[in-house]
Amino acid sequence: KNEVEQSPQNLTAQEGEFITINCSYSVGISALHWLQQHPGGGIVSLFMLSSGKKKHGRLIATINIQEKHSSLHITASHPRDSAVYICAVTVADSNYQLIWGAGTKLIIKP
Amino acid sequence: EAGVAQSPRYKIIEKRQSVAFWCNPISGHATLYWYQQILGQGPKLLIQFQNNGVVDDSQLPKDRFSAERLKGVDSTLKIQPAKLEDSAVYLCASSLGNWGRETQYFGPGTRLLVL
Repeated sequence: KNEVEQSPQNLTAQEGEFITINCSYSVGISALHWLQQHPGGGIVSLFMLSSGKKKHGRLIATINIQEKHSSLHITASHPRDSAVYICAVTVADSNYQLIWGAGTKLIIKP
Repeated sequence: EAGVAQSPRYKIIEKRQSVAFWCNPISGHATLYWYQQILGQGPKLLIQFQNNGVVDDSQLPKDRFSAERLKGVDSTLKIQPAKLEDSAVYLCASSLGNWGRETQYFGPGTRLLVL
């Protein structure tokens, strides 16, 4: 079992739909990160969370430390949101060891 | 502010050949990372530098991979000799300090195909 698991692996939705991507982890963490990777390889860091909730534009990220679970939400989805969304955690009490999820491939159809 | 630069963007080589990748991080960023991303998988950290010192190279296949950051600025990653399973995107990233606490900025990656 992977220490960081994302679901779903693939998600296809229509433009305008509300999107939720989930991340569960089994290790103690000091931070959780959500990143976006577009075709061609470029990766952009979206959020870094250690508790609660963060919002940036149409993106919302939440984390529940007790349940070891985080969600990334996209409101009013748009085709330009099509990308791979990756969850990664910084392991607590480590030399900033990072564990990455496998990613969720999101396709938004017009 | 210029982003993380990588070159080349694409490389095709035959197995057993050697290849080198170059990365120039954002100016002033102390920490530099090299990742390997195989198609369909998340990035795997190969090596992490803090200035010119190695912080973590536990997942670097040291029999064939080497990396250096001699002056604490730009870095090279070398594979010698390459194997078919080395086909992947090699991503370089940098952060002001340790990424556990700060945002990490990624370069465009170098796509390697080993035939």
